[in-house]
Amino acid sequence: EVQLVESGGGLVQPKGSLKLSCAASGFDFNSYGMSWVRQAPGKGLDLVADISSKSYNYATYYADSVKDRFTISRDDSQSMVYLQMDNLKTEDTALYYCTTGSYWGQGVMVTVSS
Amino acid sequence: DVVLTQTPVSLLISLGGQASISCRSSQSLVHSNGNTYLHWYLQKPGQSPQLLIYQVSNRFSGIPDRFSGSGSGTDFTLKISRVEPEDLGVYYCLQRTHNPPTFGGGTKLELK
Repeated sequence: EVQLVESGGGLVQPKGSLKLSCAASGFDFNSYGMSWVRQAPGKGLDLVADISSKSYNYATYYADSVKDRFTISRDDSQSMVYLQMDNLKTEDTALYYCTTGSYWGQGVMVTVSS
Repeated sequence: DVVLTQTPVSLLISLGGQASISCRSSQSLVHSNGNTYLHWYLQKPGQSPQLLIYQVSNRFSGIPDRFSGSGSGTDFTLKISRVEPEDLGVYYCLQRTHNPPTFGGGTKLELK
């Protein structure tokens, strides 16, 4: 069974940092690109960051809104993907999903507020 | 950036009825490799999105044949026949042909 389990969310002040983690199991993690998608309360879906597999040289993509503030990474030996979020803004408040595209985690909430 | 426009924004359907959702792209979604990376997702209330259709018309594992996708170029359609209660929620299209990947704004399917 494919599982994606996010952790690391919480309440943080503006300009603060958080690191989200996603533990993957049940599929050949090394062969899949991974993404973080967020959903602000009551809003639609936005793809925040992508990281490709080793086969594609771990290429990364970032939405303009998070470029230079967020960093996606992965540890194939542990089947983990991460999202380091720095200089957080109130508009980053959202439910963050880890996804292969085909499979999605349950999401982790990030609230940026003073 | 590619803009995906979904219509209608909301849809009232009777149980057993048929629903049709349009996703129109601001530019062709045919990749240089010939594939079209237009996918459909359903987000049920309180749940994570789930993949229904990938690359325009391919049903994902476990998705019933009541769901069908069609289209080409810039115009795509998701059809749901014999609507059941578990089909209710918000439907999104996603394009991954061009960077950045973009989602449509969503279509909420509700019971009449």
